[in-house]
Amino acid sequence: KAGVTQTPRYLIKTRGQQVTLSCSPISGHRSVSWYQQTPGQGLQFLFEYFSETQRNKGNFPGRFSGRQFSNSRSEMNVSTLELGDSALYLCASSADVEETQYFGPGTRLLVL
Amino acid sequence: DQQVKQNSPSLSVQEGRISILNCDYTNSMFDYFLWYKKYPAEGPTFLISISSIKDKNEDGRFTVFLNKSAKHLSLHIVPSQPGDSAVYFCAAFFSGYALNFGKGTSLLVTP
Repeated sequence: KAGVTQTPRYLIKTRGQQVTLSCSPISGHRSVSWYQQTPGQGLQFLFEYFSETQRNKGNFPGRFSGRQFSNSRSEMNVSTLELGDSALYLCASSADVEETQYFGPGTRLLVL
Repeated sequence: DQQVKQNSPSLSVQEGRISILNCDYTNSMFDYFLWYKKYPAEGPTFLISISSIKDKNEDGRFTVFLNKSAKHLSLHIVPSQPGDSAVYFCAAFFSGYALNFGKGTSLLVTP
């Protein structure tokens, strides 16, 4: 079974731009969660989608948004990028949020 | 508010010895706990988990212990191997709540 895939793997943007990251979950998984990892902050939860509905949301500003499609693929969007948004963005999928989550390799975003 | 805490950012252990990674949590509603391992440039990989109805779970060289009264869990790796060198994240959740991660402990196993 193919694992979680994320595209792109690396991205460089400038302040004020917007970015869209994509995540394809493991086949059959309907829950997709997004996390931000920065040095010293660990993994911080952004949001979780299940069957195209956002079920949980972390403490991030409204510039961070996401969506899930009917095939469970998910996208995450960050508008008006700030330098502090530079991070590794990880996507994880599971059969349901209460099941073990499996992570993708992440998208490394650098904001200049 | 950090509900899952890993107070040791790093740990160095000699090959063959025991590695003990610790994790504390504050939310008594957490009832499922997991450990993930992360190598640089890769996503975290699931290692081992434990439900709050147990106090110990073993999987090969890895054992997780849960002390609910102390709100503490630990991961024991015996014997430690150089390939175990990675960042280890402790995570916790309860039904309907998002997975909460600690900040990670970087383990270095030296030959």
